[in-house]
Amino acid sequence: EMVMTQSPATLSVSPGERATLSCRASQSVYSNLAWYQQQPGQAPRLLIYGASSRATGIPARFSGTGSGTEFTLTISSLQSEDFAIYYCQQYTNWPWTFGQGTKVEIK
Amino acid sequence: EVQLEESGGGLVQPGGSLRLSCVGSGFTFSRFEMNWVRQAPGKGLEWLSYITGRGNTVFYADSVKGRFTVSRDNAKNSLYLQMNSLRAEDTAMYYCAREYDSSSAHGYWGQGTLVTVSS
Repeated sequence: EMVMTQSPATLSVSPGERATLSCRASQSVYSNLAWYQQQPGQAPRLLIYGASSRATGIPARFSGTGSGTEFTLTISSLQSEDFAIYYCQQYTNWPWTFGQGTKVEIK
Repeated sequence: EVQLEESGGGLVQPGGSLRLSCVGSGFTFSRFEMNWVRQAPGKGLEWLSYITGRGNTVFYADSVKGRFTVSRDNAKNSLYLQMNSLRAEDTAMYYCAREYDSSSAHGYWGQGTLVTVSS
């Protein structure tokens, strides 16, 4: 099973600052990598698919980069609504797997 | 507007069975891959199963293989998850999720249905 490792587990950031989240795959997932945002009590929301494509309606401050085994989600200027948990997921090899999540909290 | 609505959750004893349903609307159901994803209380997301639009190919996470069965009825715009031999560790919110257009990423999610396995 492919292991997805996210870092850091928790990221403390001030509003308006930049946040950089990492996701590492135990083997290559090419560009079959998605990022999701989850607010408390809500279903996850797709932010990025194909490692770097924003889903419909996702603000331009969210960007995804990477391929192979190393991926990054960048939030250029954190807004209050961006404080949440973020998950990466690979959809290359079965079983598909999620990372354990990164919590972005207010500093 | 794409909408997904899960139902069928509840309290079940260890070793028991439950069948979850997910009804889709706002899109041509048969054209899209579907998935089940769960989240135990206070934990992260766990992908569980996948089914193609026609229902002829399925995949499962190791944790549920042999106990859970995914199926769909395109005439009813419905996705199902038959869960047998339930364990306490199956307690979770269960979400159905649809592929995002041409990507297998989970672009649309229901609000989830809660399954509690306890005696």
